[in-house]
Amino acid sequence: GAVVSQHPSRVICKSGTSVKIECRSLDFQATTMFWYRQFPKQSLMLMATSNEGSKATYEQGVEKDKFLINHASLTLSTLTVTSAHPEDSSFYICSAPPWQYTDTQYFGPGTRLTVL
Amino acid sequence: AQKITQTQPGMFVQEKEAVTLDCTYDTSDPSYGLFWYKQPSSGEMIFLIYQGSYDQQNATEGRYSLNFQKARKSANLVISASQLGDSAMYFCAMREGPAYNTDKLIFGTGTRLQVFP
Repeated sequence: GAVVSQHPSRVICKSGTSVKIECRSLDFQATTMFWYRQFPKQSLMLMATSNEGSKATYEQGVEKDKFLINHASLTLSTLTVTSAHPEDSSFYICSAPPWQYTDTQYFGPGTRLTVL
Repeated sequence: AQKITQTQPGMFVQEKEAVTLDCTYDTSDPSYGLFWYKQPSSGEMIFLIYQGSYDQQNATEGRYSLNFQKARKSANLVISASQLGDSAMYFCAMREGPAYNTDKLIFGTGTRLQVFP
């Protein structure tokens, strides 16, 4: 079946630093990937839609200059949290719909970010 | 207004028994899709089952079945013969719009299921 990977799985950083999270589709091409954020004991909230070869689309209230998204190829999207602060500590998870399947989205294993 | 509503923050079920997790949705789009995901403590989102708005029959995947009542706008997940490994958070989600595979998912708040021996 389709697999989506994320790297790193866990990261701890100091306040003010930038953190890059990678999302890869391993056995299919994805022109679109989605980035979600999940705070403890809460649901997943869509942050942005990553589009291969074009700019990402951000949800209302998400700072595009803080959460930089680059979809450089059909199998890789990156989310960079710039100048991270403790309030950015969260579980970040990506998803990708395989083009050849319908009605299915696969999620990566997620990245737990802790900003000290 | 909430697009996806899961009214049960927590559910308990005994092993080998069946359990129903509730989900209601709200959309005016005639074409939509409904998903259920399982999230164990590790955090990964595991796809369980999908129901399209035009599907005539209720979806089934092994021990999982989706009780789709379109008029009531409900899409309850039924887990038969519960196992200890079923203990996890369960999220209902909706894709508003046709299945072009570019639409985002809207998630409910989740239900924590605990299966006891």
